[in-house]
This record gives sequence, structure tokens and C-alpha cells, in this order.
Amino acid sequence: QKEVEQNSGPLSVPEGAIASLNCTYSDRGSQSFFWYRQYSGKSPELIMSIYSNGDKEDGRFTAQLNKASQYVSLLIRDSQPSDSATYLCAVNSGSGNTGKLIFGQGTTLQVKP
Amino acid sequence: DAGVTQSPTHLIKTRGQQVTLRCSPKSGHDTVSWYQQALGQGPQFIFQYYEEEERQRGNFPDRFSGHQFPNYSSELNVNALLLGDSALYLCASSLASGIHPSYNEQFFGPGTRLTVL
Repeated sequence: QKEVEQNSGPLSVPEGAIASLNCTYSDRGSQSFFWYRQYSGKSPELIMSIYSNGDKEDGRFTAQLNKASQYVSLLIRDSQPSDSATYLCAVNSGSGNTGKLIFGQGTTLQVKP
Repeated sequence: DAGVTQSPTHLIKTRGQQVTLRCSPKSGHDTVSWYQQALGQGPQFIFQYYEEEERQRGNFPDRFSGHQFPNYSSELNVNALLLGDSALYLCASSLASGIHPSYNEQFFGPGTRLTVL
């Protein structure tokens, strides 16, 4: 079993729709969870971080965390063509704040005008 | 506020050669992590430097080594290059101090694209 799993996609949504990206992780000791956006040929950009169960909203983005189910998700409301990118889920490895991030392989999102 | 910088942007080497990649962390950050990203994959953790010492290491052979300088900048060295070392090498900086999990927030530089022929 991979440590962090994401559906590679592509996930295709129409402009203005809600895009839902999902991620599961295997290490129950993980405490920090991140979503990065990566445009083709560019480096990852941190867009959301979440540390507690529940929802965290930032503009059009909402991160959701359920530690009991070992599940993290990212919702993008009012999706725009500029949101088309690969979204990487990252989880800190081990208990405590070890600083080592484990990444999923990423989900490619396509927002069609 | 200066972000994370890396050099060079691109590099072409042949098998067996050695390479050095450089990284300057974001202003105010003291920790540097290095990742390797193969095409179509997520970044894989190589190692992390804090206070000029390697603090953690991923599953990479000893051919991969690093260094951190007193000004927090860092180098990644790869010896005896293999074709499989071709990848995007990413440097990420963070702040080690504090107990809140947000210190795990890592910010990436633009990366160095290494091609081994």
C-alpha cells in the first residue's frame, strides 16, 4: 500500500463547477496535511494546509480532514480554467513534526471553459 | 520578500559524472529539504538540513549527499550519475523553530531540471 494515495485522473469539470480532489494516507501518526498545486513545467506551490479534523476554507478552496478515516480532500469552488493543474497531496511522515513530507502522485485537474 | 532560489535551472550531464545543485532558502527560513520528482510522479524526499547537519534522510543511496552553510543555503551533490537520476530536483525551505505543525509548511524553489545522457 502506498503511503499517500491519490487518483491520478484526469478529473475534468466544467468552468464554474466544484472540483473535488481526494487523498488517503496510511500513517496514523501524521499530523500535518498539505495541498500543493503544480502547473506543467513548474514547481509545486503550497495552497492549503490543515492540521485539525474538519474543514478549513481559504477563498475558493476548502480543505477537509478526517483523521479517523485517514482522508484529506480539497474542494475548489467556481472552478476556473486557470485552476487546470496537477494537485499534490502531502502528509508529514511519522508522529510529531518530523518535517519529512510524503507526496501522492498527484491528480490532474482539467477545467473546461 | 525573496522566495526560494535554485541554480542552475537546467543541467545536462553524462553517466558517471558528478553534479552540484544549489539552493537559497526563503528569507527567515533555516531548514532546507531536497526532493526528487520524476516525470508524472510526486516529489520524493531525499534529505533535510538544519543547523548545518543532515536531520533526516529518505531512501536514496550514498551517492546523494548534501551540505548546509551558515547562511542556511544548501547544496545537493550527486556522484556517479545514472540515467535514472534524470529528474526535477526541488529544494524546499521551512522554519524549524516552534511547536505548531505549521512549521512543516515547506515552500519550493523553481527546481533544477537534470538530464543524464
